Amino acid sequence: ELVLTQSPGTLSLSPGERATLSCRASQSVRSSYLAWYRQRPGQAPRLLIYGASSRATGIPDRFSGSGSGTDFTLTISRLEPEDFAVYYCQQYSGSAWTFGQGSKVEI
Amino acid sequence: QVQLQESGPGLVKPSQTLSLTCTVSGGSINSGGYYWSWIRQHPGKGLEWIGYIYNTGSSYYNPSLKSRASISRDTSKNQFSLKLSSVTAADTAVYYCARHGSMYAFDIWGQGTMVTVSS
Repeated sequence: ELVLTQSPGTLSLSPGERATLSCRASQSVRSSYLAWYRQRPGQAPRLLIYGASSRATGIPDRFSGSGSGTDFTLTISRLEPEDFAVYYCQQYSGSAWTFGQGSKVEI
Repeated sequence: QVQLQESGPGLVKPSQTLSLTCTVSGGSINSGGYYWSWIRQHPGKGLEWIGYIYNTGSSYYNPSLKSRASISRDTSKNQFSLKLSSVTAADTAVYYCARHGSMYAFDIWGQGTMVTVSS
């Protein structure tokens, strides 16, 4: 089974700062099938990025995704209050989806 | 716009079958190109994909659930459902229904429903 490992586990930043989150796969992932989500407390995850670098509908341009192969990155250029949350990467392969364990961005 | 809403019992006894329904509004589950999934999140933990059903009625499941999961649909009600048999405390989680399309990412989610397995 393909495993996604996210780092760091927790990132402590202030509003306005830049956040860089990493997602590493145990084997190569097709970029088309790599996505990122944000989950606020008590809410469902929200799709931010799909296809490794394409922003989902309504997602502001402070969110960007990059990477290929086994290493992928989500960057938030300037943190807004609503961005303090948990972020998950997700991949699809072998007719199944798996998620990373999550990275928490805290104030 | 398309919205999803989960419903079902919040408490299930061990060894019984967990049954949940997802009602789709603002769109049809018969629409081609979309897959309808169930995903769960154990308390304080990450996300686990359970399985999906397609508009043809075909379904596919996470092998880790060892054939305990079954997803069906009722097109007349625009709903799809999850049954998870022989539940244990390890099945206690928030259960989400979600949609994905050709991008293989889940673009629409329900709000989630908490299910506790306990006697």
